[in-house]
Amino acid sequence: SQQGEEDPQALSIQEGENATMNCSYKTSINNLQWYRQNSGRGLVHLILIRSNEREKHSGRLRVTLDTSKKSSSLLITASRAADTASYFCATAPFSGGYNKLIFGAGTRLAVHP
Amino acid sequence: DAGITQSPRHKVTETGTPVTLRCHQTENHRYMYWYRQDPGHGLRLIHYSYGVKDTDKGEVSDGYSVSRSKTEDFLLTLESATSSQTSVYFCAISSREPNTEAFFGQGTRLTVV
Repeated sequence: SQQGEEDPQALSIQEGENATMNCSYKTSINNLQWYRQNSGRGLVHLILIRSNEREKHSGRLRVTLDTSKKSSSLLITASRAADTASYFCATAPFSGGYNKLIFGAGTRLAVHP
Repeated sequence: DAGITQSPRHKVTETGTPVTLRCHQTENHRYMYWYRQDPGHGLRLIHYSYGVKDTDKGEVSDGYSVSRSKTEDFLLTLESATSSQTSVYFCAISSREPNTEAFFGQGTRLTVV
């Protein structure tokens, strides 16, 4: 079964609003990563947060990690129409292959002008 | 984009025929992965490689085999294609270091009729 589960499955907002996506996982991790996928394209890495970190920022992105709850959230502030894409969390297991990313099913974000 | 090339980009094949997808990288990364992406499932790991001739199974490996005879090439073979293997296949690469991102190819859309 998949390690990560994103919530919500789909999100529709207006430009300028913030978008929050959540990810839950099952086992101990080395790190958690967020990726973005535009329609018909490959995945692009957004941000990585290590298991000993609680929050990380990159531009308009803010990621939090709560290892006690085995959950993470991705916040996109001041959304733009160009942010429309699917967003995936991926976890790197703590043992037995920390480079082996396990992905969730993703959140489809639609940002309307 | 990282130096990853998948070929072919699109393929239609008949049930029961063998199919080989190729992933070529120019980054000299140690780890290479094959994922499949289906609606509602996100990306699921098929097989991965942690070095030349070193491969291991992922969560959905049945019906697939892989080979890696050179650092730069990772081949995915469907010995006898079935309609359930209709999917979009992504190759990814990452370095051997922990806490590093993965880079994805543009994907191969495979249709088994």
